[in-house]
Amino acid sequence: DAMVIQNPRYQVTQFGKPVTLSCSQTLNHNVMYWYQQKSSQAPKLLFHYYDKDFNNEADTPDNFQSRRPNTSFCFLDIRSPGLGDAAMYLCATSRDPSNSNQPQHFGDGTRLSIL
Amino acid sequence: KNEVEQSPQNLTAQEGEFITINCSYSVGISALHWLQQHPGGGIVSLFMLSSGKKKHGRLIATINIQEKHSSLHITASHPRDSAVYICAVRSNGTASKLTFGTGTRLQVTL
Repeated sequence: DAMVIQNPRYQVTQFGKPVTLSCSQTLNHNVMYWYQQKSSQAPKLLFHYYDKDFNNEADTPDNFQSRRPNTSFCFLDIRSPGLGDAAMYLCATSRDPSNSNQPQHFGDGTRLSIL
Repeated sequence: KNEVEQSPQNLTAQEGEFITINCSYSVGISALHWLQQHPGGGIVSLFMLSSGKKKHGRLIATINIQEKHSSLHITASHPRDSAVYICAVRSNGTASKLTFGTGTRLQVTL
C-alpha cells in the first residue's frame, strides 16, 4: 500500500492561475518535504515541515507556499504559476530527522504543466 | 563543483552485465541514500547507509567514509533496471536536508 500519496499525478494549469498540489502520508512521520525536479535535473528542496514548524529554503521563490493542517496532509500552493514552474513536484516524509538512520519516503510525484 | 558528483552520467549495458555507479561527495555526511527513479515516476529509496555495505537482491551498495565515496552495483542486470539512479547525502549538522547528485541514467538492453 502506498504510504506517501500525491494527488493528482498530473496537473495542468494556466499561466498565473493558482494551483494546489496535495500530499498525504500514512506513516505518521514528523517531517514532510516538498521538492521540485525539473527535467534531467536533481530534485531541489523547496521547504519542509517538522511537525508544525515550517522551514523554507533560502532560494525558494515567494510564489511557493505550503500548508500542513495536520500530521497526515501537506499542501504545496503555487500562487501565480509561471512557465518556469513546470516540473515534477515530489513529496517525501521522514521520522525524527535528528536520527540520521531515518530514511526519506517519497511519493510518486505530481507532474505540473503550465499552459 | 557540486557537493555530490555521480559517474557516469549515462550508462548503457546489455542484459546480464555487472553494473557499477559511483558517487563522490565533498562534505561530511551522516547518511547516504541511493534512490531509483523510473521515467516519469516517483522516487524509490533503495538504500540508506552510513558505513560498510548493504545488499538487497541483485543490488549492492558500499560506502567508504574516509574516501567520501559510495558505489551502487547491480548484478545480472535486466531491462527493468533501466532508470535514473540518484545518490543523495544528508550532511552533518543539517539533519533534514538531502543534497542530490544529478543522477545516472541507466539503459539495459536485451
